[in-house]
Amino acid sequence: GQNIDQPTEMTATEGAIVQINCTYQTSGFNGLFWYQQHAGEAPTFLSYNVLDGLEEKGRFSSFLSRSKGYSYLLLKELQMKDSASYLCAVRDQKASGSARQLTFGSGTQLTVLP
Amino acid sequence: EPEVTQTPSHQVTQMGQEVILRCVPISNHLYFYWYRQILGQKVEFLVSFYNNEISEKSEIFDDQFSVERPDGSNFTLKIRSTKLEDSAMYFCASNRGLAKETQYFGPGTRLLVL
Repeated sequence: GQNIDQPTEMTATEGAIVQINCTYQTSGFNGLFWYQQHAGEAPTFLSYNVLDGLEEKGRFSSFLSRSKGYSYLLLKELQMKDSASYLCAVRDQKASGSARQLTFGSGTQLTVLP
Repeated sequence: EPEVTQTPSHQVTQMGQEVILRCVPISNHLYFYWYRQILGQKVEFLVSFYNNEISEKSEIFDDQFSVERPDGSNFTLKIRSTKLEDSAMYFCASNRGLAKETQYFGPGTRLLVL
């Protein structure tokens, strides 16, 4: 099975940088995803890591350390519209096929203040 | 850009009634998924579907649940006899199963069981 932990809530100021951490313990691993979810809406894809290191995508970066079971999402130049829940999700390793389920953390609710 | 669509957006039903939630995955996708999110809780995997059969299912996906691909475009989730605790947002997702590919989520159906 999978166990994924992330902080419940974070607050930051517009224009600042925030780092949202995620730790996981898994029986199999085939990649880690970060999603953004606004209230009442579907998760939208932000980033994917399967190898150790940093992936950068505009204002968003994500880091993975497989040996530590650790990832973080870094948001730079925060904007008010970044207020949302950020979900860490781990994809299972399967022996065959690619219909691999995602196991989600509980999400980190980020509030960006003016 | 193609999107996953879901109908209805909201459904209210009485306990014990059957409901069918409908999804139209992105047209060239081969893998289909259902997830649910109880209000204030994490996104939970229900079932994955590939090549006209269930690929994986979670403990939540008991005999009350079934999935079907009745034609070339629709993917449905049926709950045979709804319970109060089935009240949740149900998300459909799809992808092509490529190595670095996310799952693309539909907007969700909010189900309320009274």
